[in-house]
Amino acid sequence: GIQVEQSPPDLILQEGANSTLRCNFSDSVNNLQWFHQNPWGQLINLFYIPSGTKQNGRLSATTVATERYSLLYISSSQTTDSGVYFCAVNQGGKLIFGQGTELSVKP
Amino acid sequence: GAGVSQSPRYKVAKRGQDVALRCDPISGHVSLFWYQQALGQGPEFLTYFQNEAQLDKSGLPSDRFFAERPEGSVSTLKIQRTQQEDSAVYLCASSLGGSAQPQHFGDGTRLSIL
Repeated sequence: GIQVEQSPPDLILQEGANSTLRCNFSDSVNNLQWFHQNPWGQLINLFYIPSGTKQNGRLSATTVATERYSLLYISSSQTTDSGVYFCAVNQGGKLIFGQGTELSVKP
Repeated sequence: GAGVSQSPRYKVAKRGQDVALRCDPISGHVSLFWYQQALGQGPEFLTYFQNEAQLDKSGLPSDRFFAERPEGSVSTLKIQRTQQEDSAVYLCASSLGGSAQPQHFGDGTRLSIL
């Protein structure tokens, strides 16, 4: 089946710093979503981005479907950005998740 | 409702007991999905409904797991004769339908088997 790999696995930032999270996938996909799982376990939709670039406040995402990767940019990080970031690709209706990037933003 | 609603939020059961987990999708969402998330891992697909039809159950780990959505709205995931390895967070998601629509997740049910 399709493989989804995220990097880095862990990331520690000082508040105010910028970061880039990467998601590689091994096959063509119908769409791709980025999620933030907060410390309470809630899985929050960030982007639905099968291709192209989208921005939402301090967050933006780019998917290059032909090269099978997606990037999530976090600018001016805040402590509330802490948690695990997952990318998930849709193949045949179901989402296949990566292992996540655990982000910790220190004040 | 405004979002996907799951109940209970927490469930503790003794090994061998049966459990039932409920999911209320977003109103009007045709597709409903169940995922299992083990500690420190990403969610893994269990099963998928379109309206009341179960289109894919390839992710159910054993025949002890059973899901239904009899009227095409609320869904129940049932686990019979629970075992310790069933301990996980069970997440439900819904979408408008089709693989081109984003999936929206509930807060999950944290199941602990003693």
